Amino acid sequence: AQSVTQLDSHVSVSEGTPVLLRCNYSSSYSPSLFWYVQHPNKGLQLLLKYTSAATLVKGINGFEAEFKKSETSFHLTKPSAHMSDAAEYFCVVSEPPGGGGNKLTFGTGTQLKVEL
Amino acid sequence: DAGVTQSPTHLIKTRGQHVTLRCSPISGHKSVSWYQQVLGQGPQFIFQYYEKEERGRGNFPDRFSARQFPNYSSELNVNALLLGDSALYLCASSLATSGQARGFGPGTRLTVT
Repeated sequence: AQSVTQLDSHVSVSEGTPVLLRCNYSSSYSPSLFWYVQHPNKGLQLLLKYTSAATLVKGINGFEAEFKKSETSFHLTKPSAHMSDAAEYFCVVSEPPGGGGNKLTFGTGTQLKVEL
Repeated sequence: DAGVTQSPTHLIKTRGQHVTLRCSPISGHKSVSWYQQVLGQGPQFIFQYYEKEERGRGNFPDRFSARQFPNYSSELNVNALLLGDSALYLCASSLATSGQARGFGPGTRLTVT
């Protein structure tokens, strides 16, 4: 069975400093991995996705993530935090392509707080 | 192009009642999935439909059911509502069932009293 573990439930950074949100995954297959962001009272927005191409994935708003198979990790980073980055972030794993059913399994989320 | 749309945005129901939530996918998307997000938790998979057929079901009781229509829109039905069904219900669409990113709708906030 597939799963993701987000290692921090809350992360607090100062504006202009780097962001690191940690995620480890477990999958029997070569996984598809995603990061989604959810702002208060908003829907989920895709930040980036990994689907077995380049291991360093660049997303929107300056975010990127690196897939490390040896460490089963898919950490999300951003060089410089902005106040607008404050939100809930979800690491997500998808079942392999093909076959019937292709659900997304979400982590428990990391609440990012950005302080002045 | 419009994104995923859901209706209603908010809903208040009483225990034991029935509810129907609706979702319209992004134009051209043939797969619709439903997720339940309880406050403070990540979304949990309920159903996936593709070409009007159920392609996946999460660990939810039979009180939960869904269907997809020829225009690829979808309904999620919940019978005999319990207090624990209070949650944000999210609909997501994608082109197909393979490992693709989903576009998510804003959700329907269901409160059961």
